[in-house]
Amino acid sequence: SAVISQKPSRDICQRGTSLTIQCQVDSQVTMMFWYRQQPGQSLTLIATANQGSEATYESGFVIDKFPISRPNLTFSTLTVSNMSPEDSSIYLCSVSRVGGELFFGEGSRLTVL
Amino acid sequence: KQEVTQIPAALSVPEGENLVLNCSFTDSAIYNLQWFRQDPGKGLTSLLLIQSSQREQTSGRLNASLDKSSGRSTLYIAASQPGDSATYLCAVYVGGATNKLIFGTGTLLAVQP
Repeated sequence: SAVISQKPSRDICQRGTSLTIQCQVDSQVTMMFWYRQQPGQSLTLIATANQGSEATYESGFVIDKFPISRPNLTFSTLTVSNMSPEDSSIYLCSVSRVGGELFFGEGSRLTVL
Repeated sequence: KQEVTQIPAALSVPEGENLVLNCSFTDSAIYNLQWFRQDPGKGLTSLLLIQSSQREQTSGRLNASLDKSSGRSTLYIAASQPGDSATYLCAVYVGGATNKLIFGTGTLLAVQP
């Protein structure tokens, strides 16, 4: 398995501000992903965080709104920019191991007022 | 387009009962299928991973089966306990141009003491 730490675990933010979520993994991994889980919904993939290059975004998600950094094989950040109440969600970092098994962090619960 | 559905959406059972959660997917071209558990407000815990070439996987009181041809997977929980209460999610990994994990809608399980 993999130990994945996310910070912050939760935050309450004002409309129009930005928040950066950090994800730290206990060992090097090739694939890192960021997911969003809106209230009462299942998980939706935001993007794949690529080490040393720009993230690969899914349809409906753009870099200006969700900039992602991946400076090395154990760390990534997701920024939620210019937040609105619709951005209130749980944001989850995940990593993939050999064999394709996916592991998740505890998530960052964001509330936008 | 791959779609993943879980039935039932919610389930309440008395402690000690054996139960089955269902997951169906529309496209049989998957690399693997993974079952997760999610406690309220938390991240996801990986329960079982079934590769496309496998028919089932077991871990303790959990047994997951996979029938690719019919697009179905089941998660069997034996002798349920109140601590099993959580949301259970299945997800299929689709490779190729899609190359991502697609999540089902989840089953909310409540085990009554």
